[in-house]
Amino acid sequence: GAGVSQSPSNKVTEKGKDVELRCDPISGHTALYWYRQSLGQGLEFLIYFQGNSAPDKSGLPSDRFSAERTGGSVSTLTIQRTQQEDSAVYLCASTLAGGVAGELFFGEGSRLTVL
Amino acid sequence: AQSVTQLGSHVSVSEGALVLLRCNYSSSVPPYLFWYVQYPNQGLQLLLKYTTGATLVKGINGFEAEFKKSETSFHLTKPSAHMSDAAEYFCAVSDRENTGNQFYFGTGTSLTVIP
Repeated sequence: GAGVSQSPSNKVTEKGKDVELRCDPISGHTALYWYRQSLGQGLEFLIYFQGNSAPDKSGLPSDRFSAERTGGSVSTLTIQRTQQEDSAVYLCASTLAGGVAGELFFGEGSRLTVL
Repeated sequence: AQSVTQLGSHVSVSEGALVLLRCNYSSSVPPYLFWYVQYPNQGLQLLLKYTTGATLVKGINGFEAEFKKSETSFHLTKPSAHMSDAAEYFCAVSDRENTGNQFYFGTGTSLTVIP
């Protein structure tokens, strides 16, 4: 597609359930980021993938959070045993190769509500 | 690590009035600087960026920002606010020294335009 695609756009789940959020970046973009945006908060960095390098996981808030990127393209963010504080909008962004400050292209986000 | 400070989480201006959204960063080395806008229920989109060269940068929708090294600032301005400018605005920096191309976001400023 032309832009970054995220799915689902909305997800309501019960506390304790696992959820998977998907991000399909712009074709050819080697760098992919996940951010979390909570109500009234800025963007919280979660994880960063760059090509075949080991991902930067320094922003993941707990071991319940994990992400993978298959074939250097689609990425999945998994949250296990969801908690109410996980409720937020999860944004994915992609850009061309790092090293030069290119523009981040964002998806419209996946809004997660944990009941 | 970088940090980005946006003074004023909420700014209200009258239609036609000057818009000024403040952003300061912490770095001894001037980073790459960005302003993003987020309209309701949408992802972020780039307004403008500074990487090198002219310190006054013009972006979309009549916005501009000036990089001031001595003040470590990158404030966003628009001479005359329009109702359609109502949105959330995020300042972001990317570290020139970091080949990992990490982006750091401020907490955002919500702009309200009063008719």
